[in-house]
Amino acid sequence: NAGVMQNPRHLVRRRGQEARLRCSPMKGHSHVYWYRQLPEEGLKFMVYLQKENIIDESGMPKERFSAEFPKEGPSILRIQQVVRGDSAAYFCASSPRLGLQETQYFGPGTRLLVL
Amino acid sequence: KNEVEQSPQNLTAQEGEFITINCSYSVGISALHWLQQHPGGGIVSLFMLSSGKKKHGRLIATINIQEKHSSLHITASHPRDSAVYICAALPNTGNQFYFGTGTSLTVIP
Repeated sequence: NAGVMQNPRHLVRRRGQEARLRCSPMKGHSHVYWYRQLPEEGLKFMVYLQKENIIDESGMPKERFSAEFPKEGPSILRIQQVVRGDSAAYFCASSPRLGLQETQYFGPGTRLLVL
Repeated sequence: KNEVEQSPQNLTAQEGEFITINCSYSVGISALHWLQQHPGGGIVSLFMLSSGKKKHGRLIATINIQEKHSSLHITASHPRDSAVYICAALPNTGNQFYFGTGTSLTVIP
């Protein structure tokens, strides 16, 4: 059973470009969480999704950021018109059931660098 | 002020030492999560607990809900335990974890 997969592992973008980060949860998991880890800072919650549904996006910036988890395919975190401050590691995690008391399984992260 | 505070921020230990990492939080919680982040950046879930104590191998996690405090202990530490240890608190209300800034542990052979 493969773990949580994220791609790309490293992504370099110039200011103003778009970044698309993908997360494939563990098989059988229908809940996905996205977190951001800025350099020298702790993890911060961004968004919590169930298939075809956003449960909580209170941690995601209102502009330029969006997330989806379609019925088929990976979850996508999309950052439009990236700025240098978006440079960070973005982690996704998945769990099999609804409820944050379920153990979350983390992916390896995508390191985004904005030049 | 961060809702979750960890101490110490950095810790260096000799191989074999008993290690304690502390986590205090300011909100009422329903669960607390201990995570390990390896030098390469990958994150592994160690424990999820809401009361009492859990043990897995050389790792022990305890939580005191009344005192709003949790500890992670490592017995007979080994260089491969070198990592950043992160605690995350799940408030009674809300859908998101609040994360501590992590404790960076280095175990010297």
